[in-house]
Amino acid sequence: NAGVTQTPKFQVLKTGQSMTLQCAQDMNHEYMSWYRQDPGMGLRLIHYSVGAGITDQGEVPNGYNVSRSTTEDFPLRLLSAAPSQTSVYFCASSGTAQETQYFGPGTRLLVL
Amino acid sequence: GQQLNQSPQSMFIQEGEDVSMNCTSSSIFNTWLWYKQDPGEGPVLLIALYKAGELTSNGRLTAQFGITRKDSFLNISASIPSDVGIYFCAGQQGNTPLVFGKGTRLSVIA
Repeated sequence: NAGVTQTPKFQVLKTGQSMTLQCAQDMNHEYMSWYRQDPGMGLRLIHYSVGAGITDQGEVPNGYNVSRSTTEDFPLRLLSAAPSQTSVYFCASSGTAQETQYFGPGTRLLVL
Repeated sequence: GQQLNQSPQSMFIQEGEDVSMNCTSSSIFNTWLWYKQDPGEGPVLLIALYKAGELTSNGRLTAQFGITRKDSFLNISASIPSDVGIYFCAGQQGNTPLVFGKGTRLSVIA
């Protein structure tokens, strides 16, 4: 199993550009989530999904969209990037919300 | 929303020393978790605690779920250079998403 994979590893965007951060897992996990990590702020939940077709907002959802059309994939979309979205983004998955979450390696995003 | 207060924010210790860090919350949690993040990687689960008062070890790591269910601590004994990283506590109540602390950055001086 590859576990949780994220692409790209690094990305530089200009303000206003759009992009999609990809996340995939091959463990047949129902629960997937997106976090952003900023210095001194820990991990903050952006969006999460308890299963295909179901998504919900986390602590900091503004400026981000998600969809869950399959169990395996949970892409995160930035429709119009802003410098405040410069961060490291982590995707995580688990069998259910109460089980151990496995994190991907992260995507480092710089918005100029 | 719920918040976890994790302390200390950072620590510089000599190799061989013991380390202690803790998390407190104003809310009750049913689960406490401790993760470690190595530089440039995602967090990895170290220890999971599911019962108030529970004391669990994983090698040189020991964690406890506080009796009040509002706190937890992590101890690392005889630190080694590979213990360097950021340690996060996380709490969960029922089916709600995990809430993470802001992390403790550990540096080990050989």
